[in-house]
Amino acid sequence: EAEVAQSPRYKITEKSQAVAFWCDPISGHATLYWYRQILGQGPELLVQFQDESVVDDSQLPKDRFSAERLKGVDSTLKIQPAELGDSAMYLCASSFDRGAYNEQFFGPGTRLTVL
Amino acid sequence: AQRVTQPEKLLSVFKGAPVELKCNYSYSGSPELFWYVQYSRQRLQLLLRHISRESIKGFTADLNKGETSFHLKKPFAQEEDSAMYYCALSATGANSKLTFGKGITLSVRP
Repeated sequence: EAEVAQSPRYKITEKSQAVAFWCDPISGHATLYWYRQILGQGPELLVQFQDESVVDDSQLPKDRFSAERLKGVDSTLKIQPAELGDSAMYLCASSFDRGAYNEQFFGPGTRLTVL
Repeated sequence: AQRVTQPEKLLSVFKGAPVELKCNYSYSGSPELFWYVQYSRQRLQLLLRHISRESIKGFTADLNKGETSFHLKKPFAQEEDSAMYYCALSATGANSKLTFGKGITLSVRP
């Protein structure tokens, strides 16, 4: 069964360093989402792509976060420089782009710890 | 603005007891409501959505627009129901972002 892949699964870094996360959505899914989940909270959308275009990045802290999906397939989320408050689980999800509603399928997440 | 409130963080019940996980929402339009579940060491997955009006693993949820609620219910809890449950909302339409509640841990004791 096809699944969303993410790497790395865990990342420990020091503040002010740069980190990058990778996501490979389910084949054929045009929409890709990055969510951040702080401990004790539900996931919050950071950025949404439709193919290679950004649909919603209103909650992305653009001074330090960037996201790209150059060929409309896999995606990279970068933080530079990382801050202590960035410690969280970063989830990637994808959905098909047909029909009235498209179920979002989630990856296993990348747990980031900033020291 | 859209908001989802799950007022409780933890619900602990004995096997066979009824379960009700509460969810209230705030949204100016006509929302779509979902319950997502995360079992231990597994990824977040869709449990059910209001528009399908189906029962999944014995769980049901009814959208009450008057009370702006979407509570998840199961008449007889099983140990394998122990998990983290998130209520979520999206705008009507394809590929709309999800707004999640904070989640509730359901613990079913033998």
